[in-house]
Amino acid sequence: LAKTTQPISMDSYEGQEVNITCSHNNIATNDYITWYQQFPSQGPRFIIQGYKTKVTNEVASLFIPADRKSSTLSLPRVSLSDTAVYYCLVVSYIPTFGRGTSLIVHP
Amino acid sequence: EAGVAQSPRYKIIEKRQSVAFWCNPISGHATLYWYQQILGQGPKLLIQFQNNGVVDDSQLPKDRFSAERLKGVDSTLKIQPAKLEDSAVYLCASSQGTAAYEQYFGPGTRLTVT
Repeated sequence: LAKTTQPISMDSYEGQEVNITCSHNNIATNDYITWYQQFPSQGPRFIIQGYKTKVTNEVASLFIPADRKSSTLSLPRVSLSDTAVYYCLVVSYIPTFGRGTSLIVHP
Repeated sequence: EAGVAQSPRYKIIEKRQSVAFWCNPISGHATLYWYQQILGQGPKLLIQFQNNGVVDDSQLPKDRFSAERLKGVDSTLKIQPAKLEDSAVYLCASSQGTAAYEQYFGPGTRLTVT
């Protein structure tokens, strides 16, 4: 199982772009990279997934370099409602969550 | 599309008592997961079902925890007897395929063991 490492916490301000990087040095060929968002008292919510290069949806972008040993979740123009914990998972079959990154967005 | 349903939402029991949680996944989702989330930590996978079969239960404390998924749809997770350290949120999730890429989570059951 690929282990992931993320910053424990990050702070930002409304309107800024936030980039959260996750390292996964022993990612396997069949593994995909997925990101989840969790608000207090709720279950995690799927944000985005990718295998390589760049993926973009209406919520975020995911950048994955060629060696796939890291990935960066980019949240454009964050708002107060983006305050949450963000988890990076490397998964092909068995999902393993780390401690996640607690993002706090300030006014 | 209805989401993943879980009940109860909250449960308080005394140690050594038993408790059961119920989960109804999204219709058509083949894979169902039970997680335990202790305050301040990420969700920890307890058991993963694919249809009726168990894919992984390596982190399930089998001396006290049990889970089943009858007919490949609903699932129940039971703890008997409960310990203080079982106090946590128990999350159920489901995914359409066999790979755990995009999971949909329920609201969870908050268990307090006193």
